[in-house]
Amino acid sequence: KNEVEQSPQNLTAQEGEFITINCSYSVGISALHWLQQHPGGGIVSLFMLSSGKKKHGRLIATINIQEKHSSLHITASHPRDSAVYICAVSPIISNFGNEKLTFGTGTRLTIIP
Amino acid sequence: DTAVSQTPKYLVTQMGNDKSIKCEQNLGHDTMYWYKQDSKKFLKIMFSYNNKELIINETVPNRFSPKSPDKAHLNLHINSLELGDSAVYFCASSHIEKLFFGSGTQLSVL
Repeated sequence: KNEVEQSPQNLTAQEGEFITINCSYSVGISALHWLQQHPGGGIVSLFMLSSGKKKHGRLIATINIQEKHSSLHITASHPRDSAVYICAVSPIISNFGNEKLTFGTGTRLTIIP
Repeated sequence: DTAVSQTPKYLVTQMGNDKSIKCEQNLGHDTMYWYKQDSKKFLKIMFSYNNKELIINETVPNRFSPKSPDKAHLNLHINSLELGDSAVYFCASSHIEKLFFGSGTQLSVL
């Protein structure tokens, strides 16, 4: 079993719908990342969380450290949000700020116009 | 201006060959990484360097050797390529909260 599990694996929704992608992890962490991988393959870092909630535009990420769970929400979804969303956790932040990330398997999101 | 650039974007080669992938970042970050994404799109860290020093070396065959001539560059050399090395390789750099990824190199070993 992977240390980082995401659900759902695939999600198709209509434009405008509220989207939730979940990430559960089984190890102690110091931080959690949400990444977006575009259909062309490029990867963009969306958020890094160690507690609470962060918001950027229509994207909201939350984390519950006690429950070892994080969610990524997209409000007013748009076809350009179609991508693979990847959760990754870091058990260590060293003095250098390095992070040994363990990745989830990703959630493929498709937004239909 | 590309923040993290890696070349080549595509690499097709025969088994047994030696190849290199180059990575450069112009962000002034101290930390750089190599990740491998397999055919199932699963990402896994391979190496991490901080200011030219190796920090993380996951269970990667010795055929893979990273080289960091300066903190802006982290190249990946692969000797005696095998079919199982076919994957997309991503370079990245980081500063505190954010990771910046290169566009990936799709390696196909025939």
